[in-house]
Amino acid sequence: DAGVIQSPRHEVTEMGQEVTLRCKPISGHDYLFWYRQTMMRGLELLIYFNNNVPIDDSGMPEDRFSAKMPNASFSTLKIQPSEPRDSAVYFCASSFSPGDINTEAFFGQGTRLTVV
Amino acid sequence: DAKTTQPNSMESNEEEPVHLPCNHSTISGTDYIHWYRQLPSQGPEYVIHGLTSNVNNRMASLAIAEDRKSSTLILHRATLRDAAVYYCILRDVRANRDDKIIFGKGTRLHILP
Repeated sequence: DAGVIQSPRHEVTEMGQEVTLRCKPISGHDYLFWYRQTMMRGLELLIYFNNNVPIDDSGMPEDRFSAKMPNASFSTLKIQPSEPRDSAVYFCASSFSPGDINTEAFFGQGTRLTVV
Repeated sequence: DAKTTQPNSMESNEEEPVHLPCNHSTISGTDYIHWYRQLPSQGPEYVIHGLTSNVNNRMASLAIAEDRKSSTLILHRATLRDAAVYYCILRDVRANRDDKIIFGKGTRLHILP
């Protein structure tokens, strides 16, 4: 498996534009996480899914942010409209839970978003 | 969420052992202790995890105190490639519970050549 794949790797957009970040989790994984990382706030969990269902979106900063997981192999994080303070590195991660045990999460390389 | 406390930064010389401490005094009986690290310009990567007994793998060793209120990640022979931020995280062992992985500030490890 190629690991967790995120696209694009870099995105520069103008304030007010819509931005869509994409993630392909590792095949067979049933958990998917979206994180945001900045120097000031570190790694923040935005939302996570289990079997394509959003479980906890309490970390989503505001209504401008939305995330979907239409199937087990694809998820998107959308920001509309984008603002300069959304500039950050966004990571996607996946893991699976066989039976009653949690296993490690695998992270993608991240998408560096710059909103100007 | 059960919290962990780590030093902000540490330094070590290349080819020497490194002991990274983590305090988790409010750990519950079903919490696993996980360690991740983040190399520069990369996403976090899993290092090791344990519940009660000490654990070894090809990357590191994890020493867990008898009362489980603290643990130490041990890099036996640090190299320059081990320079990273190391995160100590508690995760409930029971699947289908609150499976959030919450990162603190971690310890930034500097390796001196």
